[in-house]
Amino acid sequence: KNQVEQSPQSLIILEGKNCTLQCNYTVSPFSNLRWYKQDTGRGPVSLTIMTFSENTKSNGRYTATLDADTKQSSLHITASQLSDSASYICVVITSGTYKYIFGTGTRLKVLA
Amino acid sequence: ETGVTQTPRHLVMGMTNKKSLKCEQHLGHNAMYWYKQSAKKPLELMFVYSLEERVENNSVPSRFSPECPNSSHLFLHLHTLQPEDSALYLCASSQDFRQVDEQFFGPGTRLTVL
Repeated sequence: KNQVEQSPQSLIILEGKNCTLQCNYTVSPFSNLRWYKQDTGRGPVSLTIMTFSENTKSNGRYTATLDADTKQSSLHITASQLSDSASYICVVITSGTYKYIFGTGTRLKVLA
Repeated sequence: ETGVTQTPRHLVMGMTNKKSLKCEQHLGHNAMYWYKQSAKKPLELMFVYSLEERVENNSVPSRFSPECPNSSHLFLHLHTLQPEDSALYLCASSQDFRQVDEQFFGPGTRLTVL
């Protein structure tokens, strides 16, 4: 069964600290993996997209990694800001059928 | 803003009411989607439209009825809903549903069924 699991479910950190969010998937066949940020009351917005051959992709203070062998991805946030408070959703897209398989998300709260 | 708008942003309705959710995309995309987002659950794909033709219907109860009059507009008609239908309903669009194109999401409609 195609599944995407994320951990932790929620996380609280202090402003300026770094954090790493995890995503494990059992999706086949794999096409690419995206991380989305969803602010409260808004729709998800894409942060990064990674294909099978990419190990790392950065977008400002956000860095995503992908290990296609272990089927794991992580999203690292550097020097967190209050505006980083949001849910972060890992999405794996299948090849051929282009299905979006969503994780349940990690809810991040950054405190001043 | 993502170029996808949804109205209303919030909706409270009784189980016997009939209401409609509206989505509009200003991106020139050919594919539009309806998703349901419930607390602590992954997004659930409900319907997919490509050039106004429904191409996917994921076992959604008939009390949800989609309509796509043109490639820029998508509606979700609601009738005789249940309290468990309370959720955030998200609309998205992409260039082509058959390719790995990014989906752009609207802000969602927060629906509460009493």
